[in-house]
Amino acid sequence: AQSVTQLDSQVPVFEEAPVELRCNYSSSVSVYLFWYVQYPNQGLQLLLKYLSGSTLVESINGFEAEFNKSQTSFHLRKPSVHISDTAEYFCAVSEGGNKLVFGAGTILRVKS
Amino acid sequence: DAGVTQSPTHLIKTRGQHVTLRCSPISGHKSVSWYQQVLGQGPQFIFQYYEKEERGRGNFPDRFSARQFPNYSSELNVNALLLGDSALYLCASSSWGTGANEKLFFGSGTQLSVL
Repeated sequence: AQSVTQLDSQVPVFEEAPVELRCNYSSSVSVYLFWYVQYPNQGLQLLLKYLSGSTLVESINGFEAEFNKSQTSFHLRKPSVHISDTAEYFCAVSEGGNKLVFGAGTILRVKS
Repeated sequence: DAGVTQSPTHLIKTRGQHVTLRCSPISGHKSVSWYQQVLGQGPQFIFQYYEKEERGRGNFPDRFSARQFPNYSSELNVNALLLGDSALYLCASSSWGTGANEKLFFGSGTQLSVL
């Protein structure tokens, strides 16, 4: 079975500072990786995904994640965060169909 | 267009009762999946349905069941509720349910509290 480990439960950061949210996975098959964001009282929204090809994937709001097969990681980064980025971020791996295995989540708190 | 809609938004039940949660997928989507999100944890896969047939099942007891209707809406049923069933139940829809190449759209969830 696949699993996902998010190494930090909470990450506090000041506005305009860079941030990295860490994610490690375990999988014995081809890997499809995702980052989802959950704002308070809302459902999950897809932020970005890696299926194949370039190991660096980007989202439209400035986040990027790099697939590292040797380190089994898919860390999420943003060079300069905004207050509006405050949310919970979930890393996930696909097990086929619509079955995703999620990590426990990382709460990003952006402070002014 | 409306997104994935779930009802009710909040629900309070007592132990041993039964509950039915409802989900309407995005128009044109034929696949619905259910996830359970316990406070402080990531969502856990419960079921996937496509064209009214079960396509996948997570590691949940038989007290959990679901079905999909001809209009592609879905119900999640939980019998003999336990305190541990208290969670946010999320519904997600996609066009074909075929996997990672599709985008999964999540509803805002139903918050179930079991007392």
